[in-house]
Amino acid sequence: DTGVSQDPRHKITKRGQNVTFRCDPISEHNRLYWYRQTLGQGPEFLTYFQNEAQLEKSRLLSDRFSAERPKGSFSTLEIQRTEQGDSAMYLCASTPAATGELFFGEGSRLTVL
Amino acid sequence: AQKVTQAQTEISVVEKEDVTLDCVYETRDTTYYLFWYKQPPSGELVFLIRRNSFDEQNEISGRYSWNFQKSTSSFNFTITASQVVDSAVYFCALRAGTDKLIFGTGTRLQVFP
Repeated sequence: DTGVSQDPRHKITKRGQNVTFRCDPISEHNRLYWYRQTLGQGPEFLTYFQNEAQLEKSRLLSDRFSAERPKGSFSTLEIQRTEQGDSAMYLCASTPAATGELFFGEGSRLTVL
Repeated sequence: AQKVTQAQTEISVVEKEDVTLDCVYETRDTTYYLFWYKQPPSGELVFLIRRNSFDEQNEISGRYSWNFQKSTSSFNFTITASQVVDSAVYFCALRAGTDKLIFGTGTRLQVFP
């Protein structure tokens, strides 16, 4: 399978713990996006990378969130000191071109108890 | 500011009925792209179509068709002869003046046998 893959698919954690999600994009895609989706809502933009450079970060993203894409390949999204409001599906997507469609992974569902 | 409105929260139809999902967008940019995605119960967002602002031709793909009207800032999606497998949440999205997609809140379509 050469699609976007995300790991883990589901993470349950206690409030205050740190969590990290990984995304492996489609290999030839140089742009990688992170979105968050809560129940009944559309995906909400978090941040995106072109190769290893983080080009935009949502103003809604608190300082507890950080994303990296070392070497322009896979990416990680870390949430520090999780809160119950962080419970959501975290979606990763990639695209080969600025104007192209995004190809999404299956998402990583976070549940904060 | 960019915005996508999907006023229909949920639509229920009986199999073989035609159904239209509405999408209204807002942007001041003259160059922009519109998208439709399908999110089945499995959760992965599946790309359906991309249109740019300079191409107002309607498009048909099998049972799916799209009506793009710049005069009303709408990009509606019609499923002809709906099937149970069409049951999903459908999202309209806009890319304008930025490299990120802005999604609507989605329309949940339930097709009953």
